[in-house]
Amino acid sequence: EAGVAQSPRYKIIEKRQSVAFWCNPISGHATLYWYQQILGQGPKLLIQFQNNGVVDDSQLPKDRFSAERLKGVDSTLKIQPAKLEDSAVYLCASSARTGGGVQGADTQYFGPGTRLTVL
Amino acid sequence: GDSVTQMEGPVTLSEEAFLTINCTYTATGYPSLFWYVQYPGEGLQLLLKATKADDKGSNKGFEATYRKETTSFHLEKGSVQVSDSAVYFCALRGSFKTIFGAGTRLFVKA
Repeated sequence: EAGVAQSPRYKIIEKRQSVAFWCNPISGHATLYWYQQILGQGPKLLIQFQNNGVVDDSQLPKDRFSAERLKGVDSTLKIQPAKLEDSAVYLCASSARTGGGVQGADTQYFGPGTRLTVL
Repeated sequence: GDSVTQMEGPVTLSEEAFLTINCTYTATGYPSLFWYVQYPGEGLQLLLKATKADDKGSNKGFEATYRKETTSFHLEKGSVQVSDSAVYFCALRGSFKTIFGAGTRLFVKA
């Protein structure tokens, strides 16, 4: 079974530029997550999709960040314009369904991440 | 809100030593608890999980028990190997959102 794919793996941009990250989840997984992981910290959820609808985007800085999941499969996360504090690893994860309580049903599978450096 | 606190690293051990990484949580309701591991250059992988009080998750020699009375989910391994060197994240999942701790880096020396 193929894992979660992300691209690019690395990106260096200057502040005020824009950048986009792409994620392809595990086939058949309805739920897709984007996390931001700043160096030395744990991942922080930015946005969660169930199919192509948004379940939670409460921690997404909507003035500069946007995300979409067209057709309920691939997803794109965009930052425009980027700030220095956006330097981080952006992780995509997917799971079979949202919610817990069922053994294995809410296990999240993570991609390798995209390391963004904003200069 | 929900939160996870885990011991600061780095933790440095010799091979075959006993490992404990402490994790405590604050949550409403009855969350599921997880340990994820991140090996150098790789993405996060689920190491083990427990979905209710007194459950014990185990995998690859690692164990953690869901202790509701102490709101803890400490990670243990009886004999660590050099290949266990990684960053370990404790996490909880409430109704829909997963909250991660800051991570604990483990170095195992041969």
